[in-house]
Amino acid sequence: QAVVTQEPSLTVSPGGTVTLTCGSSTGAVTSGHFPYWYQHKPGQAPRTLIYDTTKKQSWTPARFSGSLLGGKAALTLSGAQPEDEADYHCLLFFSGVVVFGGGTKLTVL
Amino acid sequence: QVQLVQSGAEVKNPGSSVKVSCQAPGGTFNTYAISWVRQAPGQGLEWMGGIIPISGTPKYAQKFQGRVTILADKSTSTAYMELSSLRSDDTAVYYCARAAYTYSADYWGQGTLVTVSS
Repeated sequence: QAVVTQEPSLTVSPGGTVTLTCGSSTGAVTSGHFPYWYQHKPGQAPRTLIYDTTKKQSWTPARFSGSLLGGKAALTLSGAQPEDEADYHCLLFFSGVVVFGGGTKLTVL
Repeated sequence: QVQLVQSGAEVKNPGSSVKVSCQAPGGTFNTYAISWVRQAPGQGLEWMGGIIPISGTPKYAQKFQGRVTILADKSTSTAYMELSSLRSDDTAVYYCARAAYTYSADYWGQGTLVTVSS
């Protein structure tokens, strides 16, 4: 089974920009992996932010965007807010199954 | 807003089984899959498997093959996930989610805490 990798932790200053990445042990991540990004806060269910690489849910703040960058899926947060402090998980599709990355703990400080 | 409602918390003995239910809005099963995902304490999210209700055929992650059973009752729009031979490291919050046919989740249930302890 493929292994999906994310940065374990990142820190961003309020108002700053940060990019989280999502890589695959099988090679470059492409649109065919249909990357998803989820925001997960303690005590809550995960919330879908980005699907199919770049598409946003109706509730996704405009400061979040998805892309492919250097062979990985990427989630960019531009203008970080204190409420963006959370765990972020990516999900990739591989031939009939999906695999989560280990998650990135994002601190806004 | 799409709302999936899961059954309540469970406490189970090691070696036993647990069955978690997930009620979806009417019509969900006609056009979406259901995925099951868990999060153990201090760990990340882990996809366990899913089902496309109109076909009825489940798909399981390799790690859970032989120990998990996922079902969908189209008459009640309810999905079920049963995990057997429970161990202490199965203690986790279990989520169901509406998903695309790739099993990628979009709308999530509220989660069900399953505690395995003697």
